[in-house]
Formats: sequence, C-alpha cells, structure tokens
Amino acid sequence: AQTVTQSQPEMSVQEAETVTLSCTYDTSESDYYLFWYKQPPSRQMILVIRQEAYKQQNATENRFSVNFQKAAKSFSLKISDSQLGDAAMYFCAYRSAYGGSQGNLIFGKGTKLSVKP
Amino acid sequence: GAGVSQSPSNKVTEKGKDVELRCDPISGHTALYWYRQRLGQGLEFLIYFQGNSAPDKSGLPSDRFSAERTGESVSTLTIQRTQQEDSAVYLCASSYTPFGTEAFFGQGTRLTVV
Repeated sequence: AQTVTQSQPEMSVQEAETVTLSCTYDTSESDYYLFWYKQPPSRQMILVIRQEAYKQQNATENRFSVNFQKAAKSFSLKISDSQLGDAAMYFCAYRSAYGGSQGNLIFGKGTKLSVKP
Repeated sequence: GAGVSQSPSNKVTEKGKDVELRCDPISGHTALYWYRQRLGQGLEFLIYFQGNSAPDKSGLPSDRFSAERTGESVSTLTIQRTQQEDSAVYLCASSYTPFGTEAFFGQGTRLTVV
C-alpha cells in the first residue's frame, strides 16, 4: 500500500523569504501523480501544484515549485517570496494511475505553515 | 455546478441524534470521496464511490456511519446516534476519473455534537 509522510508538523517563515515543505512517499508503482493542497482557515482545500511521475521536469506555478526526486521518492514544495496569505495547512497527496483501495488517493498528515510579518 | 457543494456548512446536533450531510459533486465526476478532519488534524478517509461500482467503505469508523450515492450524482453521509467524538469537519471531494487527475473539494460541513 502507498503511504505519504510529511515529517514537519509545523513550519514558520518570514514574509518575503523562502520556505520548503517536505514530503516523502512509498510506492511500488511506476506511474502516479503527486499533489500539494493548501487548506486555509476557510477549510477549502485548494490545489497548489501537481506533478506527473513520468515527467522529469519539476512543476512550477508562480511562486510555488516542487523538487521531485523519483528515485528518492521525495516531493518537496518550495514557496518563494512568502506572503501572509500563504499561511495555511499544506497537504501532500499521492494518486495512483491504476486502481486500488480508497480510490488510490492518499494524503499526508499535513504541515501547518505560519508566515511572520 | 461550478464546484463541489456541501450542505449544511455547519451543523450543531445533540448527542444521540442522527445527522445527514450532503455532497453535490461536480457534474460528470465519476469518483467521490468523503473524509473526516478532526481539529488540527489531517484527512481521514471514510468512503469512496466510483461510478456504479460497489463503494470502498474501508474507512468508515463504525456501523453508525453510512453513505449513499445515486449513480454519479449527490451523495449523503449519515451518522446515526451521534457521539461527541464525531465532532469534526466532513469534507467531500470529486474527480473526473478515478486515476491521475486531482480531486476537487467542497468547503466541508463542520459538525458539532453537544
């Protein structure tokens, strides 16, 4: 079974600085997708960025980028020029390209990011 | 609709009462998920529907919890004889296909059992 691990329960960053959130996963599959979701206090889960495992190029969305290391099964999120609005819970998620239990959508436990003005 | 819609947004109920939570997925989405999120915690998988296949109920915590979905439309999560430990946010998500694409979430229902 696949697992997703976020080893940092909480992180803090100064406004305008850069922060990296860690995520590792375990799978025996070769084809899958990885996501970072943001959950602000409003509870709405918002997709931040996605990465297809078959793509070697790291995904980038404005100030958000990932460092995808397939061999190491690592998928970290880098937030550049941090803003107050980035403060939220961040969840790393894995989704298989095949079938399986739970719809093969597996979440980590989350990292709470605080941004200091 | 434009997004996943959940109702009610908030629900306060007395211990022992039954509650029903509703999720309207995005039109055309075949996969639907229910998660429970206790305060400050991660997402706890409850149940997964895929089209007309038998649902994956492996995450339901007790037989007080049940869920239904008619085809690829609305889903309802029912909690019978609510307990205080059922207090949480219940999140629903849907996706177009079961594999490969991201899941889109509703804003959740905050359930408080008093």
